[in-house]
Amino acid sequence: DIVLTQTPLSSAVTLGQPASISCRSSQSLLHSDGNTYLSWLHQRPGQPPRLLIYKISNRFSGVPDRFSGSGAGTDFTLKISRVEAEDVGVYYCMQATQLGTFGQGTKVEIK
Amino acid sequence: EVQLVESGGGLVQPGGSLRLSCAASGFIFSNYWMHWVRQAPGKGLVWVSRINADGTIKSYADSVKGRFTISRDSTKNTLFLQLNSLRVDDTAVYYCARGGGSLEYWGQGTLVTVSS
Repeated sequence: DIVLTQTPLSSAVTLGQPASISCRSSQSLLHSDGNTYLSWLHQRPGQPPRLLIYKISNRFSGVPDRFSGSGAGTDFTLKISRVEAEDVGVYYCMQATQLGTFGQGTKVEIK
Repeated sequence: EVQLVESGGGLVQPGGSLRLSCAASGFIFSNYWMHWVRQAPGKGLVWVSRINADGTIKSYADSVKGRFTISRDSTKNTLFLQLNSLRVDDTAVYYCARGGGSLEYWGQGTLVTVSS
């Protein structure tokens, strides 16, 4: 089974400053069809998750361009260029290359 | 507008059963893979199961294999999850989500509580 490990597990960020979250996979997430099914989701308290980034670096519809994803193989990163108040919550990476797995989540709060 | 509405959650005793439903609208249901994901109170997201567009391919997490069954009815635009032999650690909010390689749209979830 694929395990996703996120770091850090929590982060306090000053408004307007950047933030970065890492997601490391126990196996390569490159699918036999040539795609890497690594996505990033954001969840605010009491709400369902919302897709931010799919296939490593593609922003989903309506997602602000301050969010970006990068990486390949087993190492992936989500970056927020300038954190805004609405960005607080928990961020999850997810792989769907082999069944499905989520990372443990990274809690982002404002300092 | 894509909408996913879960129902069927509730309080059930250990060993009991429930059937969750997810009513889909705003898109061509029969064209998409669908997933179930759960979240225990105060915990992270856990992938549970997925089904392909025509219902012929079904996959499960090891923790639910043999106890849960995913299905879909494209005539009713509805996804199902049959939960049998429920355990206390199955207590969670269960979400349905649309997508194949990524979960693009999510419902609000339905709470399943397993307790004696």
